[in-house]
Amino acid sequence: QKEVEQDPGPLSVPEGAIVSLNCTYSNSAFQYFMWYRQYSRKGPELLMYTYSSGNKEDGRFTAQVDKSSKYISLFIRDSQPSDSATYLCAMRGPWGQGAQKLVFGQGTRLTINP
Amino acid sequence: EAGVAQSPRYKIIEKRQSVAFWCNPISGHATLYWYQQILGQGPKLLIQFQNNGVVDDSQLPKDRFSAERLKGVDSTLKIQPAKLEDSAVYLCASSSHRGNYNEQFFGPGTRLTVL
Repeated sequence: QKEVEQDPGPLSVPEGAIVSLNCTYSNSAFQYFMWYRQYSRKGPELLMYTYSSGNKEDGRFTAQVDKSSKYISLFIRDSQPSDSATYLCAMRGPWGQGAQKLVFGQGTRLTINP
Repeated sequence: EAGVAQSPRYKIIEKRQSVAFWCNPISGHATLYWYQQILGQGPKLLIQFQNNGVVDDSQLPKDRFSAERLKGVDSTLKIQPAKLEDSAVYLCASSSHRGNYNEQFFGPGTRLTVL
């Protein structure tokens, strides 16, 4: 079983739709939860990070973490064609516990159709 | 602020050949990471440096992969000899130690094709 599972998609939605991206994980030691966006032939760039459980909102993006279910989500409201990319979830353990190794999900390829 | 620089951007080699990738992190970033991203998968950490010391190389195939970070700045990753399954994008990232969270900034990657 992989430490982090993410539906690879692909996911295709019309412009303006609400998009929901999800990851599940097995390692209860994870405390930092990140969402990265990766455009074709580019490196990943950090969208949002959340510490422990709860919600975090940044413009059209909302990240949710449910540690009891080991489940994280990213919601994109009013999706735009420029949001078309691969979205990667990533997680790591607490600060100070050895290396700050990020464990990534497989990535979900998202296409927003005009 | 300049981002993480990597070269070359693309490399095509025959199996059993050698190849090297170069990374220049963001100025002042003490931590440098090399990731391998196989097509359709998320990045996997190969090695992490703190200044010029290795923090984690548990997933580095040491029989063929090596990495160094001289003087705690630039880094090179080498594969010798390459196998077909090494075809992937090799991403370099860097981070600084500020607070409890240190964002990793990624370079554009080097796309390696092994024929």
